[in-house]
Amino acid sequence: KAGVTQTPRYLIKTRGQQVTLSCSPISGHRSVSWYQQTPGQGLQFLFEYFSETQRNKGNFPGRFSGRQFSNSRSEMNVSTLELGDSALYLCASSLGSHNEQFFGPGTRLTVL
Amino acid sequence: TQLLEQSPQFLSIQEGENLTVYCNSSSVFSSLQWYRQEPGEGPVLLVTVVTGGEVKKLKRLTFQFGDARKDSSLHITAAQTGDTGLYLCAGGSNYKLTFGKGTLLTVNP
Repeated sequence: KAGVTQTPRYLIKTRGQQVTLSCSPISGHRSVSWYQQTPGQGLQFLFEYFSETQRNKGNFPGRFSGRQFSNSRSEMNVSTLELGDSALYLCASSLGSHNEQFFGPGTRLTVL
Repeated sequence: TQLLEQSPQFLSIQEGENLTVYCNSSSVFSSLQWYRQEPGEGPVLLVTVVTGGEVKKLKRLTFQFGDARKDSSLHITAAQTGDTGLYLCAGGSNYKLTFGKGTLLTVNP
């Protein structure tokens, strides 16, 4: 069974631009979560989607948004990029049991 | 706000030594998970514990969940260089995982 895939793997943007990251979950997984990982803050929860509905959201500004499609694939968007948005963005999918999550390799975003 | 604190933050040991890392919280979680992450990759799930007092063994790794479901520990016996990585604990509730900042383990040959 194929794992969680994320595209692109690396991205370089400049301040003020926007970016869209994509995640394809493990087949059969309907829950997709997004996390931001930085050296200073560690892994922080962004949001979780299940059957196209956002069930929970972390403490991030409204510039961070996401959505999930009917095939469970998910995208997250960050608008008006800031230098502090440079991070590894991880997507994880789950069947929902005890929140066990399976992570993709991440997208490394660098904002210049 | 639910927080998980992990200790130690960094650990460097020789191959063959034993070690324990800790994960503590003031909140109760419905489940607690341990992950290992290697550079350039996403975290990989090692174990999930859900019952207070639960102990799980995975080869040389032993995981314990505290009776009150607020703390956990990971013990590695006879560490190997392949155990090197970032060990993360995460508490699950309300469709989200709250992660600790991790313990960066280096096992030297």
